[in-house]
Amino acid sequence: EIVLTQSPATLSLSPGERATLSCRASQSVSSYLAWYQQKPGQAPRLLIYDASNRATGIPARFSGSGSGTDFTLTISSLEPEDFAVYYCQQRSNLITFGQGTRLEIK
Amino acid sequence: QVQLVQSGAEVKKPGASVKVSCKASGYTFTGYYMHWVRQAPGQGLEWMGWINPNSGGTKYAQKFQGRVTMTRDTSISTAYMELSRLRSDDTAVYYCARDLRLSEGAGIHLWPMYYYDFWGQGTLVTVSS
Repeated sequence: EIVLTQSPATLSLSPGERATLSCRASQSVSSYLAWYQQKPGQAPRLLIYDASNRATGIPARFSGSGSGTDFTLTISSLEPEDFAVYYCQQRSNLITFGQGTRLEIK
Repeated sequence: QVQLVQSGAEVKKPGASVKVSCKASGYTFTGYYMHWVRQAPGQGLEWMGWINPNSGGTKYAQKFQGRVTMTRDTSISTAYMELSRLRSDDTAVYYCARDLRLSEGAGIHLWPMYYYDFWGQGTLVTVSS
């Protein structure tokens, strides 16, 4: 099973700042990686798929990069609605999710 | 607009079974794979399997083989997930989630993309004696 390790576990930033979230795979997943946002009491929302493709309706401030084992989700300028938990997910070998990064308001 | 509406919360005893429904609207139900993903309280996400609503074909995560059954009723655009022999660690929110890709393109059958663009609101299943 491919293990996805997300860091940091919690990220404290202010609106307007840049957020950089990391996801590291225990073995290569090529570009088969997605990012989801989840707010309390809600279902996850697809942000990025295949490492760098924005899903329909996702604002341009969200971007994804990386390949192989190291991936990054960047939010260029945080809006108040961006504070949530973010998960990465791979589909290269079975399906696994990371444990999540909580993005909180500083 | 695409909507997936799930059935309500359930409380079950250990050893029992639960069946969760997911009614789709706003798109062609048979055109996209439907996945099931669960999330234990305060925990991460876990993929359980998918059903092809067109053919009824299924694929389950090995962890759930023998305990999960996914079915569908195309006449009412509804997918179902039944989990049997429930244990306390099955307590979780269960989500249905639509696959990002059409299941057929230019007459060619396509496998799921395993990314999920629309989700149900979730169904809390509590297993407790």
